[in-house]
Parts: sequence; structure tokens; C-alpha cells
Amino acid sequence: EDKVVQSPLSLVVHEGDTVTLNCSYEVTNFRSLLWYKQEKKAPTFLFMLTSSGIEKKSGRLSSILDKKELFSILNITATQTGDSAVYLCVSSGTASKLTFGTGTRLQVTL
Amino acid sequence: DGGITQSPKYLFRKEGQNVTLSCEQNLNHDAMYWYRQDPGQGLRLIYYSQIVNDFQKGDIAEGYSVSREKKESFPLTVTSAQKNPTAFYLCASSIFDGTHSNQPQHFGDGTRLSIL
Repeated sequence: EDKVVQSPLSLVVHEGDTVTLNCSYEVTNFRSLLWYKQEKKAPTFLFMLTSSGIEKKSGRLSSILDKKELFSILNITATQTGDSAVYLCVSSGTASKLTFGTGTRLQVTL
Repeated sequence: DGGITQSPKYLFRKEGQNVTLSCEQNLNHDAMYWYRQDPGQGLRLIYYSQIVNDFQKGDIAEGYSVSREKKESFPLTVTSAQKNPTAFYLCASSIFDGTHSNQPQHFGDGTRLSIL
């Protein structure tokens, strides 16, 4: 059975801190791994990763995939209160089947 | 076990037909959602419902309709007005705390709709 596990389940940090969110996966015929940010009614797409070792960056957010270790991390530097959200890790496998992690709930406090 | 059940897993539609996708949850969640996913894109919200007998349009509601007669069920109808219905459809549910903020969503396994 395909599986995506995110850790930690929740995290509280102070504004300005750097955080690392983890995602491990076991997926048949892995195709890609996606990160979403969910703060309102719908997850917002952040990154799609298909190749190992290539970091993707968008502002203060970055992510990298390790296909050997079946692992991905999402880094957020200089966190802001607007980063408070649930971050979803999603893997795509056979027939584009999506397997979702349950998310990491990040709260950034002043 | 608690969870969300979407059916069918695969669905084929002839042009001009309406089809209904089923979504049932036994998580006692108040909020339910329908998303669409197209290749290379993130999830896009079609409709969502915070409470029984109430629902709201999402970002791409045109050509779709929903109902929420029971807390457990949130069926999505893809109407003939939807010009590009071929996609992967995901249903989700969550606890609703009044803000939709920071509540993780639980997703079903999805329905893949194809046009014949």
C-alpha cells in the first residue's frame, strides 16, 4: 500500500526561525512528489519534485527530493506569521494516483 | 475504519451526458470539498460545503453542481456544460472550526473521469 508520512505533525516556532518539514514515502512506480500549503479553503501548490538532489526554491521556501532514501524536505527560512498553515506532502505513483500525507501544521508566533 | 470513500474509481462519459461522482465520509467532518487535478497542476477547488444544506463555489465551479443533503455525503455532478471534464477528481473533508484555517483535509482516493 502506498504511504506518505509527514513529520512533525505540528510545529510552533517564533517569527524569524527556520523550519524543516519532513516527508517520507513508499509509492509504487513513483512519479513525483508535491508540496502544498493549506491556509484557507484549498491547498496551494508549492513545488513538484521529480528528480533527486535538485533543489527547488521560491522565495524563502525550498524543497529537495532524495529518491534513494524516499524522502523530501521543505525548508522555510525567516518564517513569518503568514507562513502559518498546514503543509501537505503528496506523492504521485501508478496511473498518477495521489497519496497524501496528513500534513504538518505550522504555527508561527510573534 | 474512518475515512472517505469516492466512487467509482474510473468513470467514462459520452459528450453531452451528466455524470455524478460519489463522496461519502464517516469521519463526522462538517466540511467537505471537491477538487480537480490536471496533469502538472496542483489541486483546484470546485465546490466546498461547511454544513449540511449549504455549499459554496470554489475557483472552477462552472459546469459542476453539488448537493449536501446529508453530513456524510457530498456528490458532485459534472454537467454537459463542463467543456473539459477529463481530469482526476478528489473529494476531501475536514473539521470545520469556523475559519477553514489550519485544519488538515482528509482526501478520498479520487475518481478519474474520461470522455469517450
